[in-house]
Amino acid sequence: DAKTTQPTSMDCAEGRAANLPCNHSTISGNEYVYWYRQIHSQGPQYIIHGLKNNETNEMASLIITEDRKSSTLILPHATLRDTAVYYCIVRARSTDSWGKLQFGAGTQVVVTP
Amino acid sequence: AAGVIQSPRHLIKEKRETATLKCYPIPRHDTVYWYQQGPGQDPQFLISFYEKMQSDKGSIPDRFSAQQFSDYHSELNMSSLELGDSALYFCASSLGPASGGTYNEQFFGPGTRLTVL
Repeated sequence: DAKTTQPTSMDCAEGRAANLPCNHSTISGNEYVYWYRQIHSQGPQYIIHGLKNNETNEMASLIITEDRKSSTLILPHATLRDTAVYYCIVRARSTDSWGKLQFGAGTQVVVTP
Repeated sequence: AAGVIQSPRHLIKEKRETATLKCYPIPRHDTVYWYQQGPGQDPQFLISFYEKMQSDKGSIPDRFSAQQFSDYHSELNMSSLELGDSALYFCASSLGPASGGTYNEQFFGPGTRLTVL
């Protein structure tokens, strides 16, 4: 699976949009971008995933660049409960790779009042 | 909605003892994953099972073993415990490919905090 690079930390004001970048310049054509987050000592939580089109769900939006070498997770209206470590994970999705999530060094997001 | 259940939530053991962690996946989920998260570290994949067969293996020590039972629950057995085994152990479950799972969204349990003294 391709390697990802994320900023170590970022702050965000409550009520503002949080834009979390992720670099995955070695991504392959069959690899998806997944985002998970982990609120302190809780189990990681799935947020969103995408292949090449932008995606949106009730939690967030995912913007993937046309060359797929980077992506941005957008939390539209950050709340204090969004304070967490956010992980960008790139992995293939096929019946041959129904396995592990490789958590790298994510981004510690702190939402402040 | 039902979530992944892990037991016990906290466990304290002495060095060289054994421990068994249990995981009950979300109903209908046939795939179970185990992750270990040491203090200040990111979660690391240990092992996974699909339809009661081991499907993938990570950096799991030989002292650890795991299995998935006919009701799809899973147990992680840890022997000859070492101080370095102190960690949060997460279990996650998902639908496998044959069960209609399409993007491997994994649902994590609350974790078992193991402390080895």
